[in-house]
Amino acid sequence: DIQMTQSPSSLSASVRDRVTITCRASQSISTYLNWFQQKPGKAPKLLIYSASSLQSGVPSRFSGSGSETDFTLTISSLQPEDFATYYCQQSYGSPYTFGQGTNLEIK
Amino acid sequence: QVQLVQSGAEVKKPGSSVKVSCKVSGGTFSNYAISWVRQAPGQGLEWIGGIIPLLGTTNYAQKFYGRVTITADESTRTTYMELSRLRSEDTAVYYCARVGKAATLAGKLDYWGQGTLVTVSS
Repeated sequence: DIQMTQSPSSLSASVRDRVTITCRASQSISTYLNWFQQKPGKAPKLLIYSASSLQSGVPSRFSGSGSETDFTLTISSLQPEDFATYYCQQSYGSPYTFGQGTNLEIK
Repeated sequence: QVQLVQSGAEVKKPGSSVKVSCKVSGGTFSNYAISWVRQAPGQGLEWIGGIIPLLGTTNYAQKFYGRVTITADESTRTTYMELSRLRSEDTAVYYCARVGKAATLAGKLDYWGQGTLVTVSS
């Protein structure tokens, strides 16, 4: 199985901060990488697919980059509604594994 | 607008089975795969498996092989995930999600159901 490792596991930041979350794959996955946001008691929401494509309806302050094994999710200016848990997921090969999550908290 | 609506919460005994449904409204049903993902309390997301209704093909994570069966009924636009020989570690919220690329499981999960809590307890 492809292992996905996110860092950091948790992060404290303030409104209007720029935040970056990293995801590393245990083998090359080209750009088959997706990012999700999840709030407590809710289903995950797709933010970014194919490493850098913004899902329809997602604010442009979210962006993704990377290829092969190293990927990043950047939030350019944190808004109050962005405090949540973020997951990466590879869609390169079955099983389509997720990272362990990054909990983004208010400082 | 695509919507996925799942069946309600279940409480099951260890050793029994559970079958969760996921009804799709809007969009084309058969062309798009449905994946199933679960989340244990306070834990991360775990991919269980999926089905491509158009092709009738399924794919399961090795961890669940032999215990999980995913099926689709095109006439009712509903997908089912059945998990057998339940144990306490299977207590989780189970989600279905549409794969937003035709005829493959290898794509973005763009629409999600609301989740179904399955509790396994004696």
